[in-house]
Amino acid sequence: DVKVTQSSRYLVKRTGEKVFLECVQDMDHENMFWYRQDPGLGLRLIYFSYDVKMKEKGDIPEGYSVSREKKERFSLILESASTNQTSMYLCASSLGTSWEGTEAFFGQGTRLTVV
Amino acid sequence: SQQGEEDPQALSIQEGENATMNCSYKTSINNLQWYRQNSGRGLVHLILIRSNEREKHSGRLRVTLDTSKKSSSLLITASRAADTASYFCGFRIQGAQKLVFGQGTRLTINP
Repeated sequence: DVKVTQSSRYLVKRTGEKVFLECVQDMDHENMFWYRQDPGLGLRLIYFSYDVKMKEKGDIPEGYSVSREKKERFSLILESASTNQTSMYLCASSLGTSWEGTEAFFGQGTRLTVV
Repeated sequence: SQQGEEDPQALSIQEGENATMNCSYKTSINNLQWYRQNSGRGLVHLILIRSNEREKHSGRLRVTLDTSKKSSSLLITASRAADTASYFCGFRIQGAQKLVFGQGTRLTINP
């Protein structure tokens, strides 16, 4: 089975801190995604990566950056955490361009609270 | 925003009844996928329908896709209490690798 692992289930950080959220997948997937989930807003795409060192902005990239130095790892970085970044963060991965198997596999989520 | 929209936002039915959820989107897509999320957890893939397909079945799930109306529906037949969850549609935007989701439908099955 595909496994997508997020480094923390719960995280509490202070305003202004630099925060790293880590995600690792074990199925050699090309695509990796970071979403945030807020009540009433569903899942909103922050960034995604379609290959090592390749990234594209999603719908809400402001205040975030990402890093993908290795295929299996995709990191989300909050340069200076703010209270409005308190949210559930979900990482996902999927195969790339083929029609088959483009379903996404999700991690369990990281609930980040910024105080 | 390219985010999809789901309707209704919340649905509460009795066990044994059928549940229908709808999803609309604005762009051209490669495929559309439905996911389930139990409270506080990650999403789990349920079913994928390609842009050249109109209907697909998997167990008690039936998905339709109308690309002319840019809409899809998910039907869960003979619902069970264990179907209580949030359901999301996600779609691959044509010509891109993006996977974008709707806002979700919160389904409650009452025993």
